[in-house]
Amino acid sequence: GENVEQHPSTLSVQEGDSAVIKCTYSDSASNYFPWYKQELGKRPQLIIDIRSNVGEKKDQRIAVTLNKTAKHFSLHITETQPEDSAVYFCAASNNTDKLIFGTGTRLQVFP
Amino acid sequence: GAGVSQSPSNKVTEKGKDVELRCDPISGHTALYWYRQSLGQGLEFLIYFQGNSAPDKSGLPSDRFSAERTGGSVSTLTIQRTQQEDSAVYLCASSLGLPDTQYFGPGTRLTVL
Repeated sequence: GENVEQHPSTLSVQEGDSAVIKCTYSDSASNYFPWYKQELGKRPQLIIDIRSNVGEKKDQRIAVTLNKTAKHFSLHITETQPEDSAVYFCAASNNTDKLIFGTGTRLQVFP
Repeated sequence: GAGVSQSPSNKVTEKGKDVELRCDPISGHTALYWYRQSLGQGLEFLIYFQGNSAPDKSGLPSDRFSAERTGGSVSTLTIQRTQQEDSAVYLCASSLGLPDTQYFGPGTRLTVL
């Protein structure tokens, strides 16, 4: 079955810097890759997703890149702000099975 | 529209008692998932439903845990003879199908004394 690894487990950046979180997956049939943000005490919420027919997707300060050959995908946050502080989860799935989540990255943005 | 709802929001119980947690998915969503999240930890998959059937129960920690879904809508997660290690937030999510965006409920915080 699918296995998703996520790095780093914690990430601290200065406000205004960029943050990058990377995930690798094992199942070459996976074709859907969402990213979720979970603020303290809240539920996870989707912030961006990408499907395997594209290599990059952007939404304002957030972007996700996908390398199908290497089976890895990354979340990029530019011009980080304190409100970006949260735990971020990547996930992967194919057309027939459930999402497999990574173990999460705790991002802290210091003012 | 209405999102995923869960009840109760908090449940405190004594060790050895049974508890039932309820999830109301978004209307029309065929897939429903249960996760467990201990403090500061990741999302531990428990079980998911496609319609009323559960293709994957592999995440249920023991036979004290069971779940059902009726009418392709509401789901209940039952924990029998609760133990202190069952204390966690239990999250439910639903999606239109596979693969698709999962929308999470607010969770039920379970505390076993």
